[in-house]
Amino acid sequence: DVKVTQSSRYLVKRTGEKVFLECVQDMDHENMFWYRQDPGLGLRLIYFSYDVKMKEKGDIPEGYSVSREKKERFSLILESASTNQTSMYLCASRGTSGGSYNEQFFGPGTRLTVL
Amino acid sequence: AQSVTQPDIHITVSEGASLELRCNYSYGATPYLFWYVQSPGQGLQLLLKYFSGDTLVQGIKGFEAEFKRSQSSFNLRKPSVHWSDAAEYFCAVGATGTYKYIFGTGTRLKVLA
Repeated sequence: DVKVTQSSRYLVKRTGEKVFLECVQDMDHENMFWYRQDPGLGLRLIYFSYDVKMKEKGDIPEGYSVSREKKERFSLILESASTNQTSMYLCASRGTSGGSYNEQFFGPGTRLTVL
Repeated sequence: AQSVTQPDIHITVSEGASLELRCNYSYGATPYLFWYVQSPGQGLQLLLKYFSGDTLVQGIKGFEAEFKRSQSSFNLRKPSVHWSDAAEYFCAVGATGTYKYIFGTGTRLKVLA
């Protein structure tokens, strides 16, 4: 079974802090994604990485950056956390063998609160 | 513009009743379609997916979905709902040549005992 793990289930930070959210997958997937989930807005893509050291902006990248130095790990960085970044953050991974038909596998999520 | 619409934000059904969750998409290319379920405090789990072939797709937990190209719909159904089905359900669409999926805003299902 594919396993996607996220470093924390719950995180509380203060405004202005630098925040790191870590995601690790164990299935050698090429693609990895970071979403934020807010009530009524569904999942919105922040960044994705189609391979090691490769990244592309999603729909809402402002205030975030990412790092993918190793294939299994994809980090989301909030350079200076703000209260409007309080949200649920979901990481996903996807293999590319078989083409675009492959589904994304999700981690359990990190609920971040910025005070 | 590409979009996925789940018109029902909340649905309440009694345990044992049938269920249909609606999903409509607008996509220029041939779509890949997915339904995911999210239990409270959890990540998303794939229920089923469709790319081609038989337009009625069977998934896990007794769910099925039907692709109707003429209506741009991919509705999720279950003949008899269990209390454990209470969760949020997301429809998503992808396409050849793109890494990105577009997710709907979700339908929250409540099950009455």
